Amino acid sequence: DVKVTQSSRYLVKRTGEKVFLECVQDMDHENMFWYRQDPGLGLRLIYFSYDVKMKEKGDIPEGYSVSREKKERFSLILESASTNQTSMYLCASSLGGSGNTIYFGEGSWLTVV
Amino acid sequence: KNQVEQSPQSLIILEGKNCTLQCNYTVSPFSNLRWYKQDTGRGPVSLTIMTFSENTKSNGRYTATLDADTKQSSLHITASQLSDSASYICVVISRSSYKLIFGSGTRLLVRP
Repeated sequence: DVKVTQSSRYLVKRTGEKVFLECVQDMDHENMFWYRQDPGLGLRLIYFSYDVKMKEKGDIPEGYSVSREKKERFSLILESASTNQTSMYLCASSLGGSGNTIYFGEGSWLTVV
Repeated sequence: KNQVEQSPQSLIILEGKNCTLQCNYTVSPFSNLRWYKQDTGRGPVSLTIMTFSENTKSNGRYTATLDADTKQSSLHITASQLSDSASYICVVISRSSYKLIFGSGTRLLVRP
């Protein structure tokens, strides 16, 4: 079974703090994604990576950065957390190509106070 | 503009009853359409993937249909169970983009 693991399920951070959300997948997938999910808005793509050290901006990259130094690991970084970044963050991975199943992690609930 | 719209927004049914969830999309060019189930507080889990040439695909009590001409899909749940209570998300992928376009989901509550 494919496993996408998000290291932190629940976090509470203060405004201005730097936040790291880690994601690891164990199936040698090329593609990895970071989404945020807010009520009524569906999932929105923050960043996407199709290979090590490669990244592309999604629909809402402002205030975020990412790092992919190894194929299995994709990190989302909030350089200076703000209250409007309170959300559920979902990591996902898939094989290359558009027809493959995308597997999601369990999500990380971030509250910025 | 590429969009995916789902209806109803929420639905309550009695255990054992059937229900149908709708998904309309304007994504073009079309590659495939997916239905995901998301339990509260968990990540989405794939139910089906449908390509342009597929009209119907089943996964246990879940049956998805696709009409590529009218750009509509439905997810039919037969003999609902309490564990079916979840959000069901329709996702469409364009052939010209890696991006997934998500609907806002239908929240289903199955009552005993």
